[in-house]
Amino acid sequence: KQEVTQIPAALSVPEGENLVLNCSFTDSAIYNLQWFRQDPGKGLTSLLLIQSSQREQTSGRLNASLDKSSGRSTLYIAASQPGDSATYLCAVSPWGTSGSRLTFGEGTQLTVNP
Amino acid sequence: ETGVTQSPTHLIKTRGQQVTLRCSSQSGHNTVSWYQQALGQGPQFIFQYYREEENGRGNFPPRFSGLQFPNYSSELNVNALELDDSALYLCASSLRQISNTGELFFGEGSRLTVL
Repeated sequence: KQEVTQIPAALSVPEGENLVLNCSFTDSAIYNLQWFRQDPGKGLTSLLLIQSSQREQTSGRLNASLDKSSGRSTLYIAASQPGDSATYLCAVSPWGTSGSRLTFGEGTQLTVNP
Repeated sequence: ETGVTQSPTHLIKTRGQQVTLRCSSQSGHNTVSWYQQALGQGPQFIFQYYREEENGRGNFPPRFSGLQFPNYSSELNVNALELDDSALYLCASSLRQISNTGELFFGEGSRLTVL
């Protein structure tokens, strides 16, 4: 059974800092890994998707890496802003499911202080 | 391009009642999946529908059931509601085809409170 763990559970940083969120998963037979953002009481916004054959993806100030063999992914946020405050969720889909049936971590709650 | 829309956004039910939640998938998407997110936790996979048939199910009892319609919209039905069913229910759509990335797009969710 796939298990996804995110560390830390909560993080508070001053504006402008670069930061790293960590995600680990127990079964390396994945189709893809997605990072999502969730604002309080809202749905999920897809940030980055990394296919199992890829090592990293970048979008603006965000960079996500994937090391499938060690079961780890990191989300790097450069020059953090108060608007980045949200919960960040990591999720993996099993190989053979075409990207569905995500298993999520419990998230990292990020607060960026002005 | 229309995103994933869910209704209702909030609802309150009492134990033992039944509820139906609705989801319209993103334009061009043929697969819909449903997730339950309890407060402070990550979403849990309930089931997925593809070509109007259930195509995978998580660890949820049979009183959780669903439908997918020819236009790819979907319903989640929960019978005999229990207090622990209180959660945010998220619908996600995707395009299932060869060489697709499999990216999922989520709606804003339906917040269910069971009293």
